[in-house]
Amino acid sequence: GAVVSQHPSWVICKSGTSVKIECRSLDFQATTMFWYRQFPKQSLMLMATSNEGSKATYEQGVEKDKFLINHASLTLSTLTVTSAHPEDSSFYICSADAVALNTEAFFGQGTRLTVV
Amino acid sequence: AQSVTQLGSHVSVSEGALVLLRCNYSSSVPPYLFWYVQYPNQGLQLLLKYTSAATLVKGINGFEAEFKKSETSFHLTKPSAHMSDAAEYFCAVSRPRGAAGNKLTFGGGTRVLVKP
Repeated sequence: GAVVSQHPSWVICKSGTSVKIECRSLDFQATTMFWYRQFPKQSLMLMATSNEGSKATYEQGVEKDKFLINHASLTLSTLTVTSAHPEDSSFYICSADAVALNTEAFFGQGTRLTVV
Repeated sequence: AQSVTQLGSHVSVSEGALVLLRCNYSSSVPPYLFWYVQYPNQGLQLLLKYTSAATLVKGINGFEAEFKKSETSFHLTKPSAHMSDAAEYFCAVSRPRGAAGNKLTFGGGTRVLVKP
């Protein structure tokens, strides 16, 4: 149980285009999901907290108009990187809180984004 | 605010030798503490967690960690390294679940190399 599926696992896009990444909780309801970003050989940095049915809360320094987050249901949150540039190339990972299993978050497999 | 410091960005051990990864945390409230492992281009796998129960926590793959409040530490150990333990390891801290959910603050990570 407590499986989080992230899709796609990797994507290559051209500069100026937008890319959508999906994070789904497969067997539990997730009222809260988190989006992290990881640069090569670095740690994970929290980008935003996504709550079902409300606006996401962004960490300082993260552009909310560039990284659009939607959490329309208890099992799905999406991150859209708008007008992507090469510096947006990174590994993006989501995690989800399970209401019934409240001592840990469950992570997706991550998405490797390369902007060319 | 919470923070995590992992001492040593790289650790090299011989197969069969003790693995010791150091983690110190800072938290204004009693923390939840986690160790995760990450293989290349993959998400995070939970090794073990401390959530205010027993201070010595046993996890998967033979790993264990001890919570020491007086030292604000949560070091990870494994008595005998295996080649499959070569990976990146992250220590993380969160608050006991509340309004912020399981929002994690990660340490910088420690890359483990296992020599035959």
